[in-house]
Amino acid sequence: GQQLNQSPQSMFIQEGEDVSMNCTSSSIFNTWLWYKQDPGEGPVLLIALYKAGELTSNGRLTAQFGITRKDSFLNISASIPSDVGIYFCAGSNFGNEKLTFGTGTRLTIIP
Amino acid sequence: GAVVSQHPSRVICKSGTSVKIECRSLDFQATTMFWYRQFPKQSLMLMATSNEGSKATYEQGVEKDKFLINHASLTLSTLTVTSAHPEDSSFYICSASYTTGSNQPQHFGDGTRLSIL
Repeated sequence: GQQLNQSPQSMFIQEGEDVSMNCTSSSIFNTWLWYKQDPGEGPVLLIALYKAGELTSNGRLTAQFGITRKDSFLNISASIPSDVGIYFCAGSNFGNEKLTFGTGTRLTIIP
Repeated sequence: GAVVSQHPSRVICKSGTSVKIECRSLDFQATTMFWYRQFPKQSLMLMATSNEGSKATYEQGVEKDKFLINHASLTLSTLTVTSAHPEDSSFYICSASYTTGSNQPQHFGDGTRLSIL
C-alpha cells in the first residue's frame, strides 16, 4: 500500500539540539497526524493537524500542515533523552478514517 | 492514561497454532477499530478495518481466512491468526477513534508481539 516519505530516515543529535523532520506525499490529505513510537509499544499521538497552513504546538513540539496539503513538518526544540524513539507521520481524509503512515524517522541522542 | 487496551502483549507459540488478540476501547464506544501489522524496522501497515456488527474490510493482500476479525461489541475487537507460521511473526497493533465518521485521531494499543517458532 501507499506510504508517506519521511526524511531524514534517522537522526543522531546531542541533547539540547533542535530537531526537524518532514513528511511528503504524492497525494493530498485533509488531516495530518504525528505519532511517536517507543520500542515494543504502540504509537502515541503527539499532534493532530486539520487545516492547510495550520501551525500547532504541544510543549516543545511544533508541527505544520503544508499549504499544498501534501506535506507536514515536525520540529522538536531543546531535545531531551526521552525524545528518543521513532516518529511517524500519518495522513487521512474526511469521511475515511484509514491512516496512511510514513516511513518513520528514528531519533537517537548521543551522550 | 491509555484509551485502547490490547491483550496479550506477547505470544510465543508453535507453528500451526491459532492465536487470538484482543483490542478494547476503554471508557468509550468504538464502532470502528483498525488492525495493523509492523515488521521490524518498518512502518505500520493497515491490515483491516473492523466494523461493529458487520464484516471486516481487509486491505489488498491480506487473507481474510487467515486473519479472522470479530467486532462483537462496541468496545471489543479480536484478531485471530489462524494456523500461524513463522512468517506471521510480527508486531500487531490495534487502534480506535472516539467517534466514527469524524476526523478524530486514532489512539493505539500497546501492541502484541507474536513469535511463531
